[in-house]
Amino acid sequence: AQKITQTQPGMFVQEKEAVTLDCTYDTSDQSYGLFWYKQPSSGEMIFLIYQGSYDEQNATEGRYSLNFQKARKSANLVISASQLGDSAMYFCAMSGVDYKLSFGAGTTVTVRA
Amino acid sequence: NAGVTQTPKFRILKIGQSMTLQCTQDMNHNYMYWYRQDPGMGLKLIYYSVGAGITDKGEVPNGYNVSRSTTEDFPLRLELAAPSQTSVYFCASSYLRSRYSNQPQHFGDGTRLSIL
Repeated sequence: AQKITQTQPGMFVQEKEAVTLDCTYDTSDQSYGLFWYKQPSSGEMIFLIYQGSYDEQNATEGRYSLNFQKARKSANLVISASQLGDSAMYFCAMSGVDYKLSFGAGTTVTVRA
Repeated sequence: NAGVTQTPKFRILKIGQSMTLQCTQDMNHNYMYWYRQDPGMGLKLIYYSVGAGITDKGEVPNGYNVSRSTTEDFPLRLELAAPSQTSVYFCASSYLRSRYSNQPQHFGDGTRLSIL
């Protein structure tokens, strides 16, 4: 069984600053994938970034980067230069050998002007 | 680009009624999924399908049924609606297995369902 833990229910960040969202996971699979999704107040799920368990380099997508520490089983999302439009719920998720996504409880980010 | 389309967007049901949530995708994805999201929580997998004619249970399948007669469509049926099924339901699709590639699951906009 897979478990995703996001320990930060809510965070505030000043516009133009960086913010790090924590995610730890537990799995017995050797091969797995880690994903981050954004859910704005409108409700849709938006894919942000992916990290494979065998990827040696941390994934980056524009202002999003994933700080992957395999030995610690953590996959933290870093959002650089926060914008007001980044205010949303953020979910960490992983898929293992059974190709099902398991989601964390989410972290709400509020960007202040 | 339609992507994943869910209908209806909102629905109110009475206890004991039944209904089908529709989901269709136009990306020729072989994998499709149904999730539910309770307030303030993450998504939980209800059922999934790896191709036409093949479905399997996820984490919370009780009270639901699915079918996959075509690659495009993956309807979710509630037979006897209960208040515990009040939730937001998301359909998603992906190509191949998520863990093997950087192809993410694409989500529909969700169906907000209330059982009263």
